[in-house]
Amino acid sequence: AQKITQTQPGMFVQEKEAVTLDCTYDTSDQSYGLFWYKQPSSGEMIFLIYQGSYDEQNATEGRYSLNFQKARKSANLVISASQLGDSAMYFCAMRDFSYRGSTLGRLYFGRGTQLTVWP
Amino acid sequence: DGGITQSPKYLFRKEGQNVTLSCEQNLNHDAMYWYRQDPGQGLRLIYYSQIVNDFQKGDIAEGYSVSREKKESFPLTVTSAQKNPTAFYLCASSTERVDTEAFFGQGTRLTVV
Repeated sequence: AQKITQTQPGMFVQEKEAVTLDCTYDTSDQSYGLFWYKQPSSGEMIFLIYQGSYDEQNATEGRYSLNFQKARKSANLVISASQLGDSAMYFCAMRDFSYRGSTLGRLYFGRGTQLTVWP
Repeated sequence: DGGITQSPKYLFRKEGQNVTLSCEQNLNHDAMYWYRQDPGQGLRLIYYSQIVNDFQKGDIAEGYSVSREKKESFPLTVTSAQKNPTAFYLCASSTERVDTEAFFGQGTRLTVV
């Protein structure tokens, strides 16, 4: 079963505007972590932001913030003041606490959203 | 500097050949992962390992094999049984903590010729 759903294959935003990238997830665990990564055309995966399932406040890292709605199982990434260099593929990922009885959860990734920032 | 090194960056394989992709990390991480990325498919887990001499199949393990003889190394072999191996392969590592991110290598682009 798909654990991470990113419903936006592509998004466009004008420079200096804010943009929200959607992510919903599925887990029966109470303890899990949510991550967002950026992948430029070079292929490297750049970690952006983390949200823990027990964190009461939404995570923020500079221009990135995570709109975490636990009851709705959503973890949307908000990029404020978009820059041309933000054009990239963005992946939402989740790690739950157990996988086949182990204490280390595997990472699940969504299919990604291609963000294009135009001047 | 600590990090993950994948080699080679580009790899060409003839049909019927086995090839091995290298992944080395000096972050002292216990867990290591191999992902395959195809256009529009996101990252799909091939294998992962939590500890030396132990590894588990991911979602698309058929046609692939791995070993974990050393903590810092997790090589992936793409065998001739993998019918469509052309893809971008990413190796990652992480600690055992659920609240820490995975670190990725630069990737290997494999092309069958």
